[in-house]
Amino acid sequence: ETGVTQTPRHLVMGMTNKKSLKCEQHLGHNAMYWYKQSAKKPLELMFVYNFKEQTENNSVPSRFSPECPNSSHLFLHLHTLQPEDSALYLCASSSRRTDRAYYNSPLHFGNGTRLTVT
Amino acid sequence: GQNIDQPTEMTATEGAIVQINCTYQTSGFNGLFWYQQHAGEAPTFLSYNVLDGLEEKGRFSSFLSRSKGYSYLLLKELQMKDSASYLCAPAGDTNAGKSTFGDGTTLTVKP
Repeated sequence: ETGVTQTPRHLVMGMTNKKSLKCEQHLGHNAMYWYKQSAKKPLELMFVYNFKEQTENNSVPSRFSPECPNSSHLFLHLHTLQPEDSALYLCASSSRRTDRAYYNSPLHFGNGTRLTVT
Repeated sequence: GQNIDQPTEMTATEGAIVQINCTYQTSGFNGLFWYQQHAGEAPTFLSYNVLDGLEEKGRFSSFLSRSKGYSYLLLKELQMKDSASYLCAPAGDTNAGKSTFGDGTTLTVKP
C-alpha cells in the first residue's frame, strides 16, 4: 500500500463521545500534519510533527489531542467535541529537507475523515 | 502573518486556456505550491516554484515572481476533469506543512 491512508472515512459522534482518527503514511516522510477543512473556509493547519516531535500547535482547543508514536503514524484523539467541530480532517505528510534550505517538498494528503458532531 | 489573494471562481470552456492568479504576502518565503482539489477529495500537488520564472509540466505551468509576490497557474487544453478548486500555498519556511492556504479558486470547465 502506498501514499497516505486515513481511517475512518466518515465519523458521526455525539458531544460526549471519545473517538480517534488514524493516519498512516507509506512514503518514508519525516513530517506529518493535521489539517481541518470546514465548508467555505481554507485549510487550517492544526498540528505539525517533525521526526515524531510536535513542533507546532496552532492554538487548537484541548479537546483535540494528537499523538505521533513514530514517523509513519499519526492519531488525533477527540473528546467532548462541539457541533462546530464538524469538518473534513486531513492528514498530510512531507519530507522535510535540511540539506537544501531553499527547497521544499510538497504535502501528500490522505483522503480525510468527514466528521459530524451531533 | 500571511495574506493570499486569488479569484474565488472562474469559468472556462473545454479546450481553452485559463490562468489563475495568486498574490501573496508572507513573513518568510521558501517557495510556492499549487494544489488541485476535486470536490469531496483531498488536495493533490500540482507544482512548486522557488525561483522566478516558469515551470512547465504537461498541460499545467506555474509562474513565480518573488519581487512582486505573484504567481499564476496556467492550464492548457482544458478538460472537463479539470473542474476543481486550485489552491495557492506559499511556504514560509522549509517545512511544507507550514504553507498557508488561500481560499482557492473554483474552476468550472464547460463543454
